[in-house]
Amino acid sequence: GDSVTQTEGLVTLTKGLPVMLNCTYQTTYSPFLFWYVQHLNEAPKLLLKSSTDNKRTEHQGFYATLHKSSSSFHLQKSSVQLSDSALYFCALSENSGTYQRFGTGTKLQVVP
Amino acid sequence: NSKVIQTPRYLVKGQGQKAKMRCIPEKGHPVVFWYQQNKNNEFKFLINFQNQEVLQQIDMTEKRFSAECPSNSPCSLEIQSSEAGDSALYLCASSPDNYAEQFFGPGTRLTVL
Repeated sequence: GDSVTQTEGLVTLTKGLPVMLNCTYQTTYSPFLFWYVQHLNEAPKLLLKSSTDNKRTEHQGFYATLHKSSSSFHLQKSSVQLSDSALYFCALSENSGTYQRFGTGTKLQVVP
Repeated sequence: NSKVIQTPRYLVKGQGQKAKMRCIPEKGHPVVFWYQQNKNNEFKFLINFQNQEVLQQIDMTEKRFSAECPSNSPCSLEIQSSEAGDSALYLCASSPDNYAEQFFGPGTRLTVL
């Protein structure tokens, strides 16, 4: 069945360094991929989305490219800030009508 | 900012008690989802609706929860007999489609003593 894998549970980085959070997925249908960010005690909110192969999508300094050949949608940022400390969830939808699948989440901790 | 409203924000119940929470989806969104987010921050899908009809639900929801999304009223999720393992953050999300981006409410944090 459909699934989403996020391999890192916790990523700790110094402010100003680049980050890549991994997301791979499995589906037999045409995928829609999402990254959500959840700050402490807040609701998750959409960060990025894509359904177009090999096209980079960007928002608030974060970017990701959907690669259908490798079933990946990794989240990147060139220089993390303290305010980027949060939980990041990758999610998969497809147009067969089943519900959106979420990965287990990656906690990003940015330190001074 | 999301306009999904969830009440109450906090709910404390004893084991065996009913626990009911409500959600008003964003205007114009016909699809509503309920998730349980545990202490490890993992999402568990519970049930989703399109307009007033259930689209999908997991086995646990079918057996121990009751949920509805009546027209012109808030959606609701009720645990019939709370268990300690039900302590979690319950998130409601709405969407224009079953596979589009979701807009989340702030959640109801349930504690079962």
